Amino acid sequence: DAMVIQNPRYQVTQFGKPVTLSCSQTLNHNVMYWYQQKSSQAPKLLFHYYDKDFNNEADTPDNFQSRRPNTSFCFLDIRSPGLGDAAMYLCATSRDVTVESYEQYFGPGTRLTVT
Amino acid sequence: ELKVEQNPLFLSMQEGKNYTIYCNYSTTSDRLYWYRQDPGKSLESLFVLLSNGAVKQEGRLMASLDTKARLSTLHITAAVHDLSATYFCAVDSYGGATNKLIFGTGTLLAVQP
Repeated sequence: DAMVIQNPRYQVTQFGKPVTLSCSQTLNHNVMYWYQQKSSQAPKLLFHYYDKDFNNEADTPDNFQSRRPNTSFCFLDIRSPGLGDAAMYLCATSRDVTVESYEQYFGPGTRLTVT
Repeated sequence: ELKVEQNPLFLSMQEGKNYTIYCNYSTTSDRLYWYRQDPGKSLESLFVLLSNGAVKQEGRLMASLDTKARLSTLHITAAVHDLSATYFCAVDSYGGATNKLIFGTGTLLAVQP
């Protein structure tokens, strides 16, 4: 009964070759988030969608883009991956907290390797 | 800018012992989260603390929140090896309709037999 699904689980890409990571959810949540977690570091929020409204963090590099074609799916595009972009990418979802639901549900993650 | 600090960063403890992990944050927030992460895995939600004085317990773990002191604690009672993992606290910095979590540095817990 997977609720937040990420594909692929492992992705290897070449330096400079565009790559897309996928996240889908069966929870019908309004909000979807993308986090980057480098080795031995804490997760760092890149951006999030509230329905179709995109919210970018101020320090997220322009190399990172996102798309949310519908409620269930959200994509992370890395236009020109560098070696420093190798990380675990975590997708998460939540409901609108005004309905008093504060839990954030994380997917299993995609581990990206850049060669 | 919200900063979240945890200490210790690394904790080696023996089975059966008690210990506390501390999470301090720099600006006002009423939502604090604790997560567990096993090596190479995603985050597992442990506790969501939503008000001053909130205390939650699950098994050998108990979390508390003091919003006035901007401090949360994760107390481990009679540790067992299965608790070995990295523990993160996270604070919601946004206060709006969405969660915008700022994570602490993490505490790597190693429970030795």
